[in-house]
Amino acid sequence: AQSVTQLDSQVPVFEEAPVELRCNYSSSVSVYLFWYVQYPNQGLQLLLKYLSGSTLVKGINGFEAEFNKSQTSFHLRKPSVHISDTAEYFCAVSDTGSNYQLIWGAGTKLIIKP
Amino acid sequence: EAGVTQSPTHLIKTRGQQATLRCSPISGHTSVYWYQQALGLGLQFLLWYDEGEERNRGNFPPRFSGRQFPNYSSELNVNALELEDSALYLCASSLQENTEAFFGQGTRLTVV
Repeated sequence: AQSVTQLDSQVPVFEEAPVELRCNYSSSVSVYLFWYVQYPNQGLQLLLKYLSGSTLVKGINGFEAEFNKSQTSFHLRKPSVHISDTAEYFCAVSDTGSNYQLIWGAGTKLIIKP
Repeated sequence: EAGVTQSPTHLIKTRGQQATLRCSPISGHTSVYWYQQALGLGLQFLLWYDEGEERNRGNFPPRFSGRQFPNYSSELNVNALELEDSALYLCASSLQENTEAFFGQGTRLTVV
């Protein structure tokens, strides 16, 4: 069975500092990987996704993620965060790309300190 | 263009009652998904509707049910509410099952 682990429930970081949000998954088959962001009092929004090809994926708002098959990881990074990045970030995996078969991590709250 | 809209935003019910949550998808989207987001947990897939039919359901008891109307809007019904049903219920819609899903703001259900 597939599973997703987001290793940090909260990540505090100073404004303009770099950040990495960690995501590890387990699966016996090839996977599609996603990062979603949930701003306060809003629904989830797709940040980026890996389906195939280049392992470095660029998304919206300056975020990027790297798929590492050997380490079964899909960590999310941003070189310089802004106060507006304060949100909860969710990693998800699917072996088919179907929305209903997405397996979700528990989320990481990114807390930006001024 | 309007996004996915859910109503109500908050709902308080007592144990044993029924709750009805509503979702209007983005215009043109035929697939609607329901998820439960309990505190501290990731999203758990509840139900998927497409073209008016229930296509798949997650590992939830039968007291969680729903339907999709001809205009593709959907409602989620939770019968015999239990305290542990308290959660944020998110609805999402997409053009097809494997295209990007767009989420609503959710309905916060509190069972007391």
